[in-house]
Amino acid sequence: KQEVTQIPAALSVPEGENLVLNCSFTDSAIYNLQWFRQDPGKGLTSLLLIQSSQREQTSGRLNASLDKSSGRSTLYIAASQPGDSATYLCAVKNQGGKLIFGQGTELSVKP
Amino acid sequence: DAEITQSPRHKITETGRQVTLACHQTWNHNNMFWYRQDLGHGLRLIHYSYGVQDTNKGEVSDGYSVSRSNTEDLPLTLESAASSQTSVYFCASSEGLADYYEQYFGPGTRLTVT
Repeated sequence: KQEVTQIPAALSVPEGENLVLNCSFTDSAIYNLQWFRQDPGKGLTSLLLIQSSQREQTSGRLNASLDKSSGRSTLYIAASQPGDSATYLCAVKNQGGKLIFGQGTELSVKP
Repeated sequence: DAEITQSPRHKITETGRQVTLACHQTWNHNNMFWYRQDLGHGLRLIHYSYGVQDTNKGEVSDGYSVSRSNTEDLPLTLESAASSQTSVYFCASSEGLADYYEQYFGPGTRLTVT
């Protein structure tokens, strides 16, 4: 059974720092991995999708990497801002399009 | 713009009542999914559908049912609401199942069962 773990569960950093969020999964037979952002009381916003054949994806200050063989993905946020404060979720897509989610990392960026 | 909507956004109901949560998407996606989000468990799959008249059970389907009579809608029904079903419910849709397709999520419905 696929399990997805995110470490740390919570992270507080001062504005301007570069930071890394971690996601690990137990079964390397994934179709893709998505990183989502969730603001309090809101839905999920897709940030980046990495296909199983890809190693990384970039969007603005965000860079996500994928190492299927080791079952790991990282989300790198450059020059963090208070507006980046949110919960970040990773999810792996298995056969049939079903997503398996980690429990998220709650990020707080202090001005 | 195409979107996915859920209604109601908030619902309080009593134990034993039947409750239906609506999900409507305007992307014309074949694939639709229902998840619930709970502290300590993250998001877990309840039911999903690959097209009209198709429904499948997910990881936590007990006490829930869905029906798919058209492409746009996948209502989620709680047959007899229980306090353990207090949660935030998210609907999602996807154009396809290949590795390059994203899932898009609705804003969620917060359900409280008293």
